[in-house]
Amino acid sequence: GDSVTQMEGPVTLSEEAFLTINCTYTATGYPSLFWYVQYPGEGLQLLLKATKADDKGSNKGFEATYRKETTSFHLEKGSVQVSDSAVYFCALKGAGSYQLTFGKGTKLSVIP
Amino acid sequence: KAGVTQTPRYLIKTRGQQVTLSCSPISGHRSVSWYQQTPGQGLQFLFEYFSETQRNKGNFPGRFSGRQFSNSRSEMNVSTLELGDSALYLCASSLRSGGANEQFFGPGTRLTVL
Repeated sequence: GDSVTQMEGPVTLSEEAFLTINCTYTATGYPSLFWYVQYPGEGLQLLLKATKADDKGSNKGFEATYRKETTSFHLEKGSVQVSDSAVYFCALKGAGSYQLTFGKGTKLSVIP
Repeated sequence: KAGVTQTPRYLIKTRGQQVTLSCSPISGHRSVSWYQQTPGQGLQFLFEYFSETQRNKGNFPGRFSGRQFSNSRSEMNVSTLELGDSALYLCASSLRSGGANEQFFGPGTRLTVL
């Protein structure tokens, strides 16, 4: 079945550092890929998405590119801020599927 | 537009009891999905409703059930609660079912089973 593997956390970075959170997936066909963010005590917010190979999703300085050849969707940000501290989830929805399949989440802490 | 709302936000129950959680989707959204979030298992799909019909169900026992009303509001019920049912239950709504339709999540209901 479908699955998502993302890098284990927690990740601690200094403000203005470069962020990469790795995400790889297993799915048949061409799934849609998503990154969600969860702030403490809140639900999930969609950060960005990509629906086909080579698409780049971007939002609030975060970017991720759908790489079919490596089945990856790594999240990057050039300069993190303290306000980016949260848990980040990579997810996929298979073609024709009704459900999101999530990775385990990566907790990011950004220190001033 | 108001976002997805879930009630109650917090709930404490004892083993063997049953519980009902409620979710109101964004106005105009007809699909509602439920997920369970625990530290050990992460986020797991429970079920999805669209136009009052259950479209898909995750790998959970029959104690977990749900329904959707004609106004798209949804309820989830868990009977004979177990300690392992303690979790954050998240509801998500989308305009339509399936595909790359964006799912908007509510703040969740934190259920604690004692």
